Amino acid sequence: NAGVMQNPRHLVRRRGQEARLRCSPMKGHSHVYWYRQLPEEGLKFMVYLQKENIIDESGMPKERFSAEFPKEGPSILRIQQVVRGDSAAYFCASSQSGSNQPQHFGDGTRLSIL
Amino acid sequence: DQQVKQNSPSLSVQEGRISILNCDYTNSMFDYFLWYKKYPAEGPTFLISISSIKDKNEDGRFTVFLNKSAKHLSLHIVPSQPGDSAVYFCAAYQSGGGADGLTFGKGTHLIIQP
Repeated sequence: NAGVMQNPRHLVRRRGQEARLRCSPMKGHSHVYWYRQLPEEGLKFMVYLQKENIIDESGMPKERFSAEFPKEGPSILRIQQVVRGDSAAYFCASSQSGSNQPQHFGDGTRLSIL
Repeated sequence: DQQVKQNSPSLSVQEGRISILNCDYTNSMFDYFLWYKKYPAEGPTFLISISSIKDKNEDGRFTVFLNKSAKHLSLHIVPSQPGDSAVYFCAAYQSGGGADGLTFGKGTHLIIQP
């Protein structure tokens, strides 16, 4: 999984706090995707971004979740006022283009809510 | 409603034999399919993909077969090696419409026995 960098690897938050997950795509990739994996489940698509644009957020919960991919710096997935049900592994992927190209994944951020 | 199904949660195969992992899908608009391998505490690693215009794609020990009429694909690994023990995810993508992310199955845990 060299190339897509996610940090932190583990994040612990108390209910009501904010969680910020960061993702730097592979060099040369301008398309970023966020996925969530609950225990014993497959990965579920959340949002697709290009630089400064949200292209598809059809998988994002309507409240408390937001994502950005600024012109400079990593993509950020922000979860406000976290609840226990937000505990999951969050994976970021990147690709060179948006269609029919393999997405390459980071090692994920494991979010635990106390 | 699961659009990509991997009906075998686990599969045990002897080292040196062929491993066959299966995947079914329901959305006939999917036109690009991928297999990922995942070790614990790591992100998914891209293995092989196939476009819907093909029925077979081969890369070293890995071959993916696509049967569009049956909406079924399979991953063959031959010969199986101990390092192949991992969870394998099937994923599908619909270009030109629908969500921009991959739709994943729940995974099959492949265990290679010595």
